[in-house]
Amino acid sequence: SQTIHQWPATLVQPVGSPLSLECTVEGTSNPNLYWYRQAAGRGLQLLFYSVGIGQISSEVPQNLSASRPQDRQFILSSKKLLLSDSGFYLCAWSTSGGYNEQFFGPGTRLTVL
Amino acid sequence: SQQGEEDPQALSIQEGENATMNCSYKTSINNLQWYRQNSGRGLVHLILIRSNEREKHSGRLRVTLDTSKKSSSLLITASRAADTASYFCATEGNNRLAFGKGNQVVVIP
Repeated sequence: SQTIHQWPATLVQPVGSPLSLECTVEGTSNPNLYWYRQAAGRGLQLLFYSVGIGQISSEVPQNLSASRPQDRQFILSSKKLLLSDSGFYLCAWSTSGGYNEQFFGPGTRLTVL
Repeated sequence: SQQGEEDPQALSIQEGENATMNCSYKTSINNLQWYRQNSGRGLVHLILIRSNEREKHSGRLRVTLDTSKKSSSLLITASRAADTASYFCATEGNNRLAFGKGNQVVVIP
């Protein structure tokens, strides 16, 4: 069966510090991968999605970046965090080809102070 | 981009009652999906309804889709305390999902 992992679960970082959040998927090959951010009491904002290794599409211009160094690994990064980067970050995967449900990881709660 | 918008935003009901949530969107879609999120957790997929379908059932869930009105509804019948969660609709197009802001449902035992 497929599983999706995210770490860390929670993170408190000072403004201006770097960020690296990792997401890995097991039990499937060539998944579509997604990073979302959820502000408190809000819906999900799609940040990045990837249909293959090295293929990243950015939905919202900001100081975050994403990389996909391996088929089932998706990394969200920042060189310098802003206060506005605080939120709940969710990684998700779906089978390639679209028209399918997405499976979400447990999320990372990021607080920037 | 497509954007689901749920209505109402918050709903409080007694256990055993039915809960209905609505979602509207603005552009054409391939399918519409409903997800559930318990506090502080990831989202869990509940049901997917394709653009050529009008109604779909899964257990105590019933979803309708009216593409002419660009709207969908989620009905949870015979609610349980464990149904307390936030419910999101999401419209699918171009291999991406656009999520609404969510409905918070509280089921009182």
